[in-house]
Amino acid sequence: AQKVTQAQTEISVVEKEDVTLDCVYETRDTTYYLFWYKQPPSGELVFLIRRNSFDEQNEISGRYSWNFQKSTSSFNFTITASQVVDSAVYFCALSEAQGAQKLVFGQGTRLTINP
Amino acid sequence: DVKVTQSSRYLVKRTGEKVFLECVQDMDHENMFWYRQDPGLGLRLIYFSYDVKMKEKGDIPEGYSVSREKKERFSLILESASTNQTSMYLCASSLIARAYEQYFGPGTRLTVT
Repeated sequence: AQKVTQAQTEISVVEKEDVTLDCVYETRDTTYYLFWYKQPPSGELVFLIRRNSFDEQNEISGRYSWNFQKSTSSFNFTITASQVVDSAVYFCALSEAQGAQKLVFGQGTRLTINP
Repeated sequence: DVKVTQSSRYLVKRTGEKVFLECVQDMDHENMFWYRQDPGLGLRLIYFSYDVKMKEKGDIPEGYSVSREKKERFSLILESASTNQTSMYLCASSLIARAYEQYFGPGTRLTVT
């Protein structure tokens, strides 16, 4: 069975600090997708990134970066120079690459950026 | 832009009532999903549908049913609401060829008293 664990329930930092959100996953599939979603106070989940299990190259998008390490089954998310607008709940998710491709979500990490 | 809308943002119902949560998407997506979100548990899949009148159970279907009579609309039904069904309910949709690329609605916060 697939499982995603986000051990950090809540994180609080001061603006401009760097912060890393951890995500560890379990799957028996050889091909799969990993995701990060952001849920701002408005409630709607916003897609941030999708990563194929064959692609372990790290990705950077502005202040956001993702570190995918298959050897440790981790897909961590770093925000550099955090801003108050980054305050949200962040979810890591996993889906199989074939079949129904259902998403399995982690528990979520509530990130608070204080001014 | 894909738009997924949910009929209510907030809903308060009494124990034992029959509750309908409606979800509509405007991008001709084949797949539609219902999740519930609870603190510390993340999102859990209740039901999903890959075509009109087709449905499959997710991880926590007990106490819920669904209806998909039209492609754009997916309803979640609580036959007899209970207090443990107080939660945030999120609807999502996707193309069948890209089922992992789900678009989410704003959610309905349901309180059962």
